[in-house]
Amino acid sequence: LAKTTQPISMDSYEGQEVNITCSHNNIATNDYITWYQQFPSQGPRFIIQGYKTKVTNEVASLFIPADRKSSTLSLPRVSLSDTAVYYCLVGDVWDTGFQKLVFGTGTRLLVSP
Amino acid sequence: KAGVTQTPRYLIKTRGQQVTLSCSPISGHRSVSWYQQTPGQGLQFLFEYFSETQRNKGNFPGRFSGRQFSNSRSEMNVSTLELGDSALYLCASSLRTTNTEAFFGQGTRLTVV
Repeated sequence: LAKTTQPISMDSYEGQEVNITCSHNNIATNDYITWYQQFPSQGPRFIIQGYKTKVTNEVASLFIPADRKSSTLSLPRVSLSDTAVYYCLVGDVWDTGFQKLVFGTGTRLLVSP
Repeated sequence: KAGVTQTPRYLIKTRGQQVTLSCSPISGHRSVSWYQQTPGQGLQFLFEYFSETQRNKGNFPGRFSGRQFSNSRSEMNVSTLELGDSALYLCASSLRTTNTEAFFGQGTRLTVV
């Protein structure tokens, strides 16, 4: 499973767009990129997943350049409730026949009024 | 549909005791994984069960064990508790097909005194 590097923390204000970049230089051909969000004392929650180019859902967008060595999670118009830790995971979680999510340190996003 | 349910939510135990945590996955999900989260080590994979069989185990001592029942419910047991076992224990369930998302429960907060 590829190792990921993310900023430890980020600060933003309500209404702004937040972009969190994750570096994964050793990403393999079969690897997907997945982002989870975690609030204090709760389990992580799936946000978005992609393989290449751009993926968008109702809460976020994921931008993946052609070389796939990095990815950017984009949160449009954040609110106070988006204050959380965001994890970037890279891997084909089933590549060895079982599910094993490898979480890095994550990015702690603080949204202020 | 109901999410992943973990019981109990909070637990206080004394060193040397043992503890059993329970996880009920989302209906239809046959894969259940367990994770330990601590401030120092972050989120770490413990083990995964599928069809009542342990498919893989993380780097934890043998004091940590688990099982899965025919209805996919899973239990995790920690024997001879140590202070360092104090953590948030998270359970995740999934359909276990390629790159499907994992759904996490709210966790059990275990405090060892």
